Amino acid sequence: RKEVEQDPGPFNVPEGATVAFNCTYSNSASQSFFWYRQDCRKEPKLLMSVYSSGNEDGRFTAQLNRASQYISLLIRDSKLSDSATYLCVAEGWGKFQFGAGTQVVVTP
Amino acid sequence: EAGVAQSPRYKIIEKRQSVAFWCNPISGHATLYWYQQILGQGPKLLIQFQNNGVVDDSQLPKDRFSAERLKGVDSTLKIQPAKLEDSAVYLCASSPGGADTQYFGPGTRLTVL
Repeated sequence: RKEVEQDPGPFNVPEGATVAFNCTYSNSASQSFFWYRQDCRKEPKLLMSVYSSGNEDGRFTAQLNRASQYISLLIRDSKLSDSATYLCVAEGWGKFQFGAGTQVVVTP
Repeated sequence: EAGVAQSPRYKIIEKRQSVAFWCNPISGHATLYWYQQILGQGPKLLIQFQNNGVVDDSQLPKDRFSAERLKGVDSTLKIQPAKLEDSAVYLCASSPGGADTQYFGPGTRLTVL
């Protein structure tokens, strides 16, 4: 079983709509969580860290559910530029585990 | 602030040849990572350095891969000899400390023929 699992998608989203997807992690000792965005043939870039209380950054909202061991990302008012692969990351004791990513395609 | 630098950006070699990649992290970042990302997969950690010491190399195929970070700054990753399955993007990342946000370089796209 992979340590971090994600639905590969693609999630096809009309422009302006809301999309949400989850990521599950198997290591209950994981301490920090992140969402990275990766555009095609580019390097991953940090989108946001995920805090226990949940956090919001503009149109993006991240939630952590430790009891069920998953994190979520919600994108409101999707833009064409949001089309990318979203990588979930779980960190524990300085070790980072990346998921394979969820592809989001925003269509006009 | 300058980001993580990597070179070369692209490399094509034949199997059984050797190849080396270079990474210069963000100034002052103590932790440096090398990842392998195969198409359609997430980055897989190959090796993690804290300054010039190895923190984790459990997933590094040591029979063919080697890495060093002399003087705790830039780093090189070498593959010798390369196999077809080594075709991937090799990403270097750095962070101020062990559990901090990582910043990635542009990667080196390796094709092994």
